Amino acid sequence: NAGVMQNPRHLVRRRGQEARLRCSPMKGHSHVYWYRQLPEEGLKFMVYLQKENIIDESGMPKERFSAEFPKEGPSILRIQQVVRGDSAAYFCASTLDIIGSRGYTFGSGTRLTVV
Amino acid sequence: ELKVEQNPLFLSMQEGKNYTIYCNYSTTSDRLYWYRQDPGKSLESLFVLLSNGAVKQEGRLMASLDTKARLSTLHITAAVHDLSATYFCAVVQGTSGSRLTFGEGTQLTVNP
Repeated sequence: NAGVMQNPRHLVRRRGQEARLRCSPMKGHSHVYWYRQLPEEGLKFMVYLQKENIIDESGMPKERFSAEFPKEGPSILRIQQVVRGDSAAYFCASTLDIIGSRGYTFGSGTRLTVV
Repeated sequence: ELKVEQNPLFLSMQEGKNYTIYCNYSTTSDRLYWYRQDPGKSLESLFVLLSNGAVKQEGRLMASLDTKARLSTLHITAAVHDLSATYFCAVVQGTSGSRLTFGEGTQLTVNP
């Protein structure tokens, strides 16, 4: 079991470009969460998805950010027209069931730098 | 809104000593998780606590949950240098929610 796979590990974008972050959950997991971590801070919830559905996007900025988890393929977090303040580590987590009875498994993260 | 507070935020201790990290949360929850993060790395799951009175131990770390007091503790016994890392607690709100709310983290440094 390869665990939660995120790519790329590091991503550099110029201001105004688009960033696409990918997350493949653990095998058998159908619940995916995205979190953002600013330097020296804890993780902040962004969005919770199940296959083809956004369940809770209350932590997503209203503009420029979107997420999807298609029937086939990885979950994608998309940031349009990136700004310097978007620089952070973005972590994806997956769970087996909705209550996280076996915990939430985190990927290695994508570290986004906006220059 | 659920708030999760950890203390201390910074902890420097000597090898061989014992210490406790505290995690308080503001609303009803019966699920709490502890994670370890090394610099530049992802989060490693340490403990999953799913009921009041739950106690789990792994090596030099022991975690407990008191849902009535809305408090979890992470106790470190006879610390060693390899335990140096940042430790986060995370709570799920209520009994049917699913998103994690994290504390600010406790940065632990164990000095030889």
